[in-house]
Amino acid sequence: GENVEQHPSTLSVQEGDSAVIKCTYSDSASNYFPWYKQELGKGPQLIIDIRSNVGEKKDQRIAVTLNKTAKHFSLHITETQPEDSAVYFCAAIGNTGNQFYFGTGTSLTVIP
Amino acid sequence: EPEVTQTPSHQVTQMGQEVILRCVPISNHLYFYWYRQILGQKVEFLVSFYNNEISEKSEIFDDQFSVERPDGSNFTLKIRSTKLEDSAMYFCASNFGGGMNTEAFFGQGTRLTVV
Repeated sequence: GENVEQHPSTLSVQEGDSAVIKCTYSDSASNYFPWYKQELGKGPQLIIDIRSNVGEKKDQRIAVTLNKTAKHFSLHITETQPEDSAVYFCAAIGNTGNQFYFGTGTSLTVIP
Repeated sequence: EPEVTQTPSHQVTQMGQEVILRCVPISNHLYFYWYRQILGQKVEFLVSFYNNEISEKSEIFDDQFSVERPDGSNFTLKIRSTKLEDSAMYFCASNFGGGMNTEAFFGQGTRLTVV
């Protein structure tokens, strides 16, 4: 099955700086890569996703890049704000499956 | 905005007891899922459900687990005889399309504590 690795496990940045979280996956058949944000006491919420036919996607301060050859994808948050503080999960899924394979999560702290 | 709701938010149960975790998926969604997250570990897939039957399940989802859609709105996860290692956060999710390739909406989770 798929194996998703995520780094770093914790990340602290100053407000206004950028944050980058990286994930790798093992199954070359995976073709959909969502990123979820989980705030304390809440369920994961989708913040951005990318499909394997695209190399980069951007939504305001958030961007995701995908390198299919290297089998890695990254989340970039620019101009970080304190409300960006949360746990972020990457995930991968293939086109024949119903299940996400999640990374271990990154706890992001934005210091005001 | 539509949302997936789960009840209860926290359940404490004695080892060996049965528990039922409840979920109300988004009304026009067709696919329903249960995931769990043991403290400090990955979110893990348990089961997916479509058209009133299980479409996929993981190794975790053994005979102690079952799912049901008893009516048109609820989706439940039952653990027949809980073990200490079942203590985790359980998330329900749903989406409209097949598989998780379309956006999946997660509930806020039920924290299950087995003592």
